[in-house]
Amino acid sequence: AQKVTQAQTEISVVEKEDVTLDCVYETRDTTYYLFWYKQPPSGELVFLIRRNSFDEQNEISGRYSWNFQKSTSSFNFTITASQVVDSAVYFCALSGVSGNTPLVFGKGTRLSVIA
Amino acid sequence: GAGVSQTPSNKVTEKGKYVELRCDPISGHTALYWYRQSLGQGPEFLIYFQGTGAADDSGLPNDRFFAVRPEGSVSTLKIQRTERGDSAVYLCASSLSSAGFNEQFFGPGTRLTVL
Repeated sequence: AQKVTQAQTEISVVEKEDVTLDCVYETRDTTYYLFWYKQPPSGELVFLIRRNSFDEQNEISGRYSWNFQKSTSSFNFTITASQVVDSAVYFCALSGVSGNTPLVFGKGTRLSVIA
Repeated sequence: GAGVSQTPSNKVTEKGKYVELRCDPISGHTALYWYRQSLGQGPEFLIYFQGTGAADDSGLPNDRFFAVRPEGSVSTLKIQRTERGDSAVYLCASSLSSAGFNEQFFGPGTRLTVL
């Protein structure tokens, strides 16, 4: 069975601080995909990144960066110099590669960035 | 281009009533997913369609829930004899195909409240 754990329920930071959101996953698949989604107060899930299980290179996109470590089954997300607009609930998710590929989500981490 | 749309945005009903929730996927997307998100939780898979057929309905909680996608585009999630525990946000997502690497694009959701 697949499972995603986001141990941090809520995080509060002051603007311009860096913050890391943790994600640990479980799967028996040898090939899988990991995702991060952002859910702002408006409610719509916004795709941030997809990572293939064979690609362990870290990725940076502007103020966002992702650290994928297969050895520890973790896919952590860091926001550098946080801004108030980053306030949202962030979800980590996992899918397999077969035809049946619903996403398995963690419970999410609510990030509040205070001005 | 137009994203995934869902109607209604809010639905309030009484216990025991029947409701229909509609999803319009992105044009050309063959895979369509329904998820349910309860307060403080991540989205949970309900059912997914590849084309017109339900490829996996293992997430439907019981036989009061049913979904159709007769022409391979618009989908309707139907809930019979609603119960208070059905109250949640129902999310629809679509993707180019059901392969795991495809990003799923989410709609804004329908907030269902059963009184």
